Amino acid sequence: RKEVEQDPGPFNVPEGATVAFNCTYSNSASQSFFWYRQDCRKEPKLLMSVYSSGNEDGRFTAQLNRASQYISLLIRDSKLSDSATYLCVVNVGRTDKLIFGTGTRLQVFP
Amino acid sequence: GAVVSQHPSWVICKSGTSVKIECRSLDFQATTMFWYRQFPKQSLMLMATSNEGSKATYEQGVEKDKFLINHASLTLSTLTVTSAHPEDSSFYICSARDIQRIGETQYFGPGTRLLVL
Repeated sequence: RKEVEQDPGPFNVPEGATVAFNCTYSNSASQSFFWYRQDCRKEPKLLMSVYSSGNEDGRFTAQLNRASQYISLLIRDSKLSDSATYLCVVNVGRTDKLIFGTGTRLQVFP
Repeated sequence: GAVVSQHPSWVICKSGTSVKIECRSLDFQATTMFWYRQFPKQSLMLMATSNEGSKATYEQGVEKDKFLINHASLTLSTLTVTSAHPEDSSFYICSARDIQRIGETQYFGPGTRLLVL
C-alpha cells in the first residue's frame, strides 16, 4: 500500500466549476499535511497547509480527517490558471521528511 | 518570501560523467536540506536528507556512493551524481527549511533536469 494515495485523474472541468480531490495516508503518526501545486516541468509550490479544524484560503478549502486518515481539497469557481497537478503531502511520522502522493491532474477548460 | 536556487537548471552529459548540482538558500539559513528525484509522471521521491556539518542520511535504495551529498555551509548543499548513466536521467529537486521559522514547511528549488546520453 502506498504511503500517500491519490486519484491521478485527470479531472477535466469547465471554468466556474467546483472540484474536489481526495487523498489517504497510511502513517497514523503523521503530524503535518499539505497540498502542493505542481505545474508542468516545474517544482512543487505550497498551496496550503491542512489543519484538523479545516481551513480556507480564498477559493480553496482543505479538510483533514485524522480518524479516517483522509485529506481533501475543494476548489470553487475554477479558473483556467488552476490547471495543474495537485500533490497531497504528508510528513513521515514526527520527522521533517515529506512523502508526496503521485498527484491529481486538473484541467480547467473554457 | 524564502528563495531556494539550484544550479544548473538543466544538464546533458555523456554516460560515465559525474554531474554536480548546487542548492542554495538565498535569504535564510538551512541546517537541513532535502534532495528529491522525480521521474516522468511519478511523484517526488526523497533521496536523502542533507545535514550541515555532518553526513547525509540516505533513503532506502539510494546508493550513497553514487549520489554524493555535501552540506558545507548553512546555505549550500551539493549533490554529485557520480558516473551517471541513462537511468539516472531525472528531475532533481532540493528543498530547504528555514531554521528561524519553526513549523514552516520546506521551500523548493526550481529543480535540475539531468539527461544522460
